[in-house]
Amino acid sequence: DVKVTQSSRYLVKRTGEKVFLECVQDMDHENMFWYRQDPGLGLRLIYFSYDVKMKEKGDIPEGYSVSREKKERFSLILESASTNQTSMYLCASSSPGGRGANVLTFGAGSRLTVL
Amino acid sequence: GIQVEQSPPDLILQEGANSTLRCNFSDSVNNLQWFHQNPWGQLINLFYIPSGTKQNGRLSATTVATERYSLLYISSSQTTDSGVYFCAVVEGSARQLTFGSGTQLIVLP
Repeated sequence: DVKVTQSSRYLVKRTGEKVFLECVQDMDHENMFWYRQDPGLGLRLIYFSYDVKMKEKGDIPEGYSVSREKKERFSLILESASTNQTSMYLCASSSPGGRGANVLTFGAGSRLTVL
Repeated sequence: GIQVEQSPPDLILQEGANSTLRCNFSDSVNNLQWFHQNPWGQLINLFYIPSGTKQNGRLSATTVATERYSLLYISSSQTTDSGVYFCAVVEGSARQLTFGSGTQLIVLP
């Protein structure tokens, strides 16, 4: 089974800190995604990537950046954390072709609190 | 962009009851998936179903793409079915999923 691992389950940071959220998948998937989930708003796409060193903005990219230096790793960066970035962050991956094409597999999530 | 609406927003069932969750979408889609998020936050893919009907144990799903809706059926519900059910779609030439706001299901023992 595909495994998507997020580095931290819970984080507490202070306003203005730089925050790194790491995501690693072990099935050679080309596609990787970062979502945030807030009560009443469902899942909203922040950034996604279809290849190494490639990134595309999702619906809410403001205040975030990403890095994909290796195929298996997709990092979400908050350059200067703010309280409105307190949320659950979910990483996912998928393959664009073959059996199970474009079926998303999610990590367990990282719950970030910014004080 | 495409709009995805799920109903009902909340549902409380007694163990053993059946239920139907609905997902309406505003445009043609080439990819539709149902997910279950357990109380600890883990999202699990239930079905990839851009059209037709699929069954997996007590769960089944039907998508009528021409009428822009999908249904998720849960039969003989169990307490472990509790959580949030999300529908997500990909429209046209887009490559990313757009999620609905979910149905919160509580199954009482």
